[in-house]
Amino acid sequence: AQSVTQPDIHITVSEGASLELRCNYSYGATPYLFWYVQSPGQGLQLLLKYFSGDTLVQGIKGFEAEFKRSQSSFNLRKPSVHWSDAAEYFCAVGPGSYIPTFGRGTSLIVHP
Amino acid sequence: DTEVTQTPKHLVMGMTNKKSLKCEQHMGHRAMYWYKQKAKKPPELMFVYSYEKLSINESVPSRFSPECPNSSLLNLHLHALQPEDSALYLCASSHPSGDGNEQFFGPGTRLTVL
Repeated sequence: AQSVTQPDIHITVSEGASLELRCNYSYGATPYLFWYVQSPGQGLQLLLKYFSGDTLVQGIKGFEAEFKRSQSSFNLRKPSVHWSDAAEYFCAVGPGSYIPTFGRGTSLIVHP
Repeated sequence: DTEVTQTPKHLVMGMTNKKSLKCEQHMGHRAMYWYKQKAKKPPELMFVYSYEKLSINESVPSRFSPECPNSSLLNLHLHALQPEDSALYLCASSHPSGDGNEQFFGPGTRLTVL
């Protein structure tokens, strides 16, 4: 069975600081990995995805993530956080898009 | 058009009311999903339609009744709900399978049951 662990419930950073959100997965085959962002009261928006190829994936809004098979990780990074990045971030794993499994989410708080 | 639309945005209903949530997409996706999401929690899968047929029902109470009239539309009919059903209801769509196909989510319907 597939599973996703996001070990941090909350992350607090100062505006302009760098960010790394952690995601560890469990999956029997080559995983399909996603990061979604959700602003309060909104739907989920895809930031980036990994299926194969280059293990460093670029996404929207200046985000990137690195797939590390040896560590079963897919951590999300941003070099300089903006106040508008404050949101809930969900990592997901699945066999393609069909029924992905979501992590519990990490709430990002940005201090001015 | 890469958008999933949902109506209404907000809904307040009593426990004896009957209401419906609507979802629409025009991306040619043949899989559509209903999720329930409580605050600060991940989305919980409720139903999946694949090629307009119900393929997954995650043991959802019968007071929730999904309907997929055609490949672009998905409804969720609500009847005799309980206060604990108050949540954000998200619709999503995707290709049913294949590589590189993520889910596209609508903005959700905020449901309050009094």
